[in-house]
Amino acid sequence: DIQVTQSPSTLSASIGDRVTITCRASQNISASLAWYQQKPGKAPKLLIYKASRLESGVPSRFSGSGSGTEFTLTIRSLPADDFATYYCQQYYSYSWTFGQGTRVEIK
Amino acid sequence: EVQLVESGGGFIQPGRSLRLSCTTSGFTFSAFTVGWVRQAPGKGLEWVGFSGNLPYGVTAEYAASLRGRFTISRDDSKSVVYLQLNSLKTEDTAMYYCARVPRTAAGLDAFDIWGQGTMVTVSS
Repeated sequence: DIQVTQSPSTLSASIGDRVTITCRASQNISASLAWYQQKPGKAPKLLIYKASRLESGVPSRFSGSGSGTEFTLTIRSLPADDFATYYCQQYYSYSWTFGQGTRVEIK
Repeated sequence: EVQLVESGGGFIQPGRSLRLSCTTSGFTFSAFTVGWVRQAPGKGLEWVGFSGNLPYGVTAEYAASLRGRFTISRDDSKSVVYLQLNSLKTEDTAMYYCARVPRTAAGLDAFDIWGQGTMVTVSS
């Protein structure tokens, strides 16, 4: 199975900061990577698909980049509403896997 | 409005079976794959599997660690997907989400719409 390793596991940031989360795949997954945001007690929400495509309705402060094995999620100018946990997920093969998650907390 | 609503969760003893349902509305069910994801308390997301609109005559795909105990099926006439959980273990305790999977010319895409989840607690 393809493994995805997400880092960091926890990130302390202030409102207005630029935040970057990294996801590494154990093999080439082309651009078959998504990013989700999850708040406590809620279902995950799709932010980015195909590595860099912004899901409809998602604010433009979110952006994704990368291909192959290295991917990043960037949040430009973090507002209070974005303190949450973020997950990457590969869907290259028919055995999908999620990263371990990155909790973005208030510094 | 596209909606997915899970049901069937609850408290169950180890070794027993349980069937979860994912009732969908607001989209052409037969044209989409629907999957399941679970999340143990305080832990990350784990892909369980998906069913529907898959190539090569495959009806469902599963996480290797769950294949054989979990079965996904669907009733296109009711727009419902089921997750049958057999031989339940305490480590199967989790919130179970269903989610829609769009299909493009290049293949399956990411989970775009999620249900609110149904909690399964396995304990004696």
